[in-house]
Amino acid sequence: AQSVTQLGSHVSVSEGALVLLRCNYSSSVPPYLFWYVQYPNQGLQLLLKYTSAATLVKGINGFEAEFKKSETSFHLTKPSAHMSDAAEYFCAVSNTNAGKSTFGDGTTLTVKP
Amino acid sequence: DTGVSQNPRHKITKRGQNVTFRCDPISEHNRLYWYRQTLGQGPEFLTYFQNEAQLEKSRLLSDRFSAERPKGSFSTLEIQRTEQGDSAMYLCASSLDPDRLTDTQYFGPGTRLTVL
Repeated sequence: AQSVTQLGSHVSVSEGALVLLRCNYSSSVPPYLFWYVQYPNQGLQLLLKYTSAATLVKGINGFEAEFKKSETSFHLTKPSAHMSDAAEYFCAVSNTNAGKSTFGDGTTLTVKP
Repeated sequence: DTGVSQNPRHKITKRGQNVTFRCDPISEHNRLYWYRQTLGQGPEFLTYFQNEAQLEKSRLLSDRFSAERPKGSFSTLEIQRTEQGDSAMYLCASSLDPDRLTDTQYFGPGTRLTVL
């Protein structure tokens, strides 16, 4: 079985500040890990994914995430927040690259001017 | 590539009515997935198809729910005798080959169901 825990259902940062969204996973097999962004009343857009090729993964819109096996974590970061980053972010785990996924409950990111 | 499309985008129905949603995956994508997302939660897996074959169903998919993908292209999700607890966003996703590292699961915009 696989599961995801996202620490902090709401995160608020100032524009230009560091964004850190936390994700811990549980998996009995080597995991594939994903971060998605969701804007209101829209579907999910893939930000980045970990597929065992490299532990530091760079994604779209300046986001990156680091896979730490010892900590079972896959935290999402962005050096400088932009107003357009305000959205809901989901971490997900799967046992395949593009198959059925198990999602966390999401973190709502608010960016203050 | 027009992306995954879902219709309708919004559906309001009365308790006890039947509803049907449609998902059109990206052309030639073999895999098609249905998820349900309730307010404040992440998507939960419901079922998936490999071409026309339904290969896995979640325990969330009660006997009031049925999904089909008759020709291996579009899929429908029907809910019979809707209940207020069925109110959610229903998301569809597709992928070509989930084991290929170059592949990605693409999500549609979802159908928001409100049961009164």
